[in-house]
Amino acid sequence: GAGVSQSPSNKVTEKGKDVELRCDPISGHTALYWYRQSLGQGLEFLIYFQGNSAPDKSGLPSDRFSAERTGGSVSTLTIQRTQQEDSAVYLCASSRAGAYGYTFGSGTRLTVV
Amino acid sequence: GESVGLHLPTLSVQEGDNSIINCAYSNSASDYFIWYKQESGKGPQFIIDIRSNMDKRQGQRVTVLLNKTVKHLSLQIAATQPGDSAVYFCAERAGGFKTIFGAGTRLFVKA
Repeated sequence: GAGVSQSPSNKVTEKGKDVELRCDPISGHTALYWYRQSLGQGLEFLIYFQGNSAPDKSGLPSDRFSAERTGGSVSTLTIQRTQQEDSAVYLCASSRAGAYGYTFGSGTRLTVV
Repeated sequence: GESVGLHLPTLSVQEGDNSIINCAYSNSASDYFIWYKQESGKGPQFIIDIRSNMDKRQGQRVTVLLNKTVKHLSLQIAATQPGDSAVYFCAERAGGFKTIFGAGTRLFVKA
């Protein structure tokens, strides 16, 4: 597509429930990134996918967080047993291999109540 | 640990004036720097970048300056417009892929 698409744009969930966040990167972009942005804060790196290589999961805050990327395109970030501190905007970005600038989606605002 | 921070959390300027947003970084191994603009409800948008072998780069109404001696980065916006109101992030990369973002500076443009 023309840009990075994320869905849903907003998600309200009850504490303890699982959630799935989706990212459709720009066609042809082999690199995909997930970041988290808490209110009024900068961007916290979560995970990185590049082509068929093993993802770098070093930024995932706990084992409740996982992500996959199917067919080198769409990615899903899953948060199990959500906690209130998981409330944030989850941003996805993609780039061409070797390109350093990212194109971000508009994010998914997650609220855990 | 590695960090990228900003000197001023908020900046208010008059429409038509020039804006300067500053950023300090701590990793002397960083070789690539980027400025992003984030408007309310949107993801960050790439503005301009600079590699460590340069000290200045110009775009349309924007200039990035890099001073490696003092590990300082700045974004200059000429003739600031209301549409420039946003949060601006500096970011750095020390090889590889991982980009470290600063906390952001909010720019207010007064009409």
